[in-house]
Amino acid sequence: DIQMAQSPSSLSASVGDRVTITCRADQGIGNALGWYQQQPGKAPKRLIYGTTNLAGGVPSRFSGSGSGAEFTLTISSLQPEDFATYYCLQHAGFPFTFGPGTRVDFK
Amino acid sequence: EVQLLESGGGLVQPGGSLRLSCAASEFPFNTFDMTWVRQAPGKGLEWVSVIHGRDGPTYYSESVKGRFIISKDISKNTLYLQMNSLRAEDTAIYYCVKGALCDDWGQGTLVTVSS
Repeated sequence: DIQMAQSPSSLSASVGDRVTITCRADQGIGNALGWYQQQPGKAPKRLIYGTTNLAGGVPSRFSGSGSGAEFTLTISSLQPEDFATYYCLQHAGFPFTFGPGTRVDFK
Repeated sequence: EVQLLESGGGLVQPGGSLRLSCAASEFPFNTFDMTWVRQAPGKGLEWVSVIHGRDGPTYYSESVKGRFIISKDISKNTLYLQMNSLRAEDTAIYYCVKGALCDDWGQGTLVTVSS
């Protein structure tokens, strides 16, 4: 199975901050990576697919980049509703695998 | 708007079985891949299984392979997850998810495996 790692595991930030989360695969996965946001007590929501493509209705302050084995999710200006846990998902090969998550909370 | 409504969760003893259902609507269910993802209490997301298209190939995580079976009933627009030989570590919220790339998520159903 392809193993995914995320860093940091958690971070504290303020409204308006630029936030970057990294996801690394233990082998190359091309651009087969998505990002998901989970607010407390809610189901996850897809933010990005295919590394860089914004899902419908997702604000443009979210962006994704990377290729091969290293990927980043960037939030350009953190908003109150963005305090949540973020997960990456590789969809290059079965079984698909999620990263362990990055929790973003208030500084 | 896509609707995904899971049901069938509950308390089951170790070694027991349970079948989860997911009623889908507002999209062409017969042509879409469908996925199950789970989340143990206080833990991260774990990809469980996918079924391709109408009745296509299925794939499973190593942790459930040989014990869980994913299936679709096109006539009922319903996705299923048959869970056998349940273990305590299967305790989780189970999410029904549209698409192999996890486009849209249901609200989940809680499965608790305990004696």
